[in-house]
Amino acid sequence: AQSVAQPEDQVNVAEGNPLTVKCTYSVSGNPYLFWYVQYPNRGLQFLLKYITGDNLVKGSYGFEAEFNKSQTSFHLKKPSALVSDSALYFCAVRDMDSGNTPLVFGKGTRLSVIA
Amino acid sequence: ETGVTQSPTHLIKTRGQQVTLRCSSQSGHNTVSWYQQALGQGPQFIFQYYREEENGRGNFPPRFSGLQFPNYSSELNVNALELDDSALYLCASSLDGEETQYFGPGTRLLVL
Repeated sequence: AQSVAQPEDQVNVAEGNPLTVKCTYSVSGNPYLFWYVQYPNRGLQFLLKYITGDNLVKGSYGFEAEFNKSQTSFHLKKPSALVSDSALYFCAVRDMDSGNTPLVFGKGTRLSVIA
Repeated sequence: ETGVTQSPTHLIKTRGQQVTLRCSSQSGHNTVSWYQQALGQGPQFIFQYYREEENGRGNFPPRFSGLQFPNYSSELNVNALELDDSALYLCASSLDGEETQYFGPGTRLLVL
């Protein structure tokens, strides 16, 4: 069975500082990995994905994520946080080798960027 | 290009009632997935429709059912509503062969 863990419920960072939101995953095959962001009372907005290729993936709004197969991690990063980055972030995984398996989400990490 | 839209935005029902939620997929997308997001949780997969057929189902009882229409829009029907069905229901569309799902704004359902 596939699963995602986001070990931090909340991450606080000062504006202008780098941010990291952690994600680890478990799949039996190879993973498709995604990050989505959710603003209050809104749906999920796609940020970036890892399918294959370079381990460092660049996405929207200056976000990037690094795929680390040995550590089964896909941490989300941004060099300089903005107050407008404050939102709920979800990591998701799908096993690419197990047929039509669904996308599985973590519980989410609330990012708070303080001015 | 039109994004994913959902209706209604909010809904209040009582236990035992039935509800229908609607989703219009992004232009050109032929696959629709439905998710339930309880408060403080990540989205949980309910089912997926591809070309009007159910194409995968999560761990939800049969009182959760769906439809997809020839224009790829979709409905989620929930019968015999329970208090625990209170959640944000999200629809996501994608193109067959593409992994990225694009989400609508959701319908917030409250069951009293």
